[in-house]
Amino acid sequence: DTAVSQTPKYLVTQMGNDKSIKCEQNLGHDTMYWYKQDSKKFLKIMFSYNNKELIINETVPNRFSPKSPDKAHLNLHINSLELGDSAVYFCASTPGTGGKLFFGSGTQLSVL
Amino acid sequence: QKEVEQDPGPLSVPEGAIVSLNCTYSNSAFQYFMWYRQYSRKGPELLMYTYSSGNKEDGRFTAQVDKSSKYISLFIRDSQPSDSATYLCAMSDQAGSTLGRLYFGRGTQLTVWP
Repeated sequence: DTAVSQTPKYLVTQMGNDKSIKCEQNLGHDTMYWYKQDSKKFLKIMFSYNNKELIINETVPNRFSPKSPDKAHLNLHINSLELGDSAVYFCASTPGTGGKLFFGSGTQLSVL
Repeated sequence: QKEVEQDPGPLSVPEGAIVSLNCTYSNSAFQYFMWYRQYSRKGPELLMYTYSSGNKEDGRFTAQVDKSSKYISLFIRDSQPSDSATYLCAMSDQAGSTLGRLYFGRGTQLTVWP
């Protein structure tokens, strides 16, 4: 009964490949996010969806494309992977009360 | 200048010590202040949540917010080895909105040794 689950947990791939990360939450929240955490633990928001609608789109290369088929799911597709994309990607959701976030356990992406 | 500044540490203390973690910020519009705890290879989990200035206590944890100084703190009393984690401060300027975003500090890595 994991609240926010994302797959895969680890992703190792070659430069230039295309990959996807999936996220699902069973908390009934309307808003979901993708965050990127670099090697120095800095968490930076990438995208936010509210009830399937994109509401936050930070300065992220357009090789990154989020998709939300329904409010419980938010996926992240990355085209033409680069070395600098190596990081941990976290999915999160919120009940909407002033910023309380519930995070998934992360996807460690390594681009070789 | 980053919105939120946090000393990354690392901080190493003996079991039973009092730990003080701090963040400063520049945006006076921030109203909601949070501390997240992140264990190795896990996602951050919400530890403390405070609105505006003041103190909030939860067991061994106390969160303090001083908006006049733009300074927030987390105190851990009687620290335990299980408190070893990275602690991230976060804040928001959105009042109860689902559309708001969080601004995170870089996180302080804490180790409590037995």
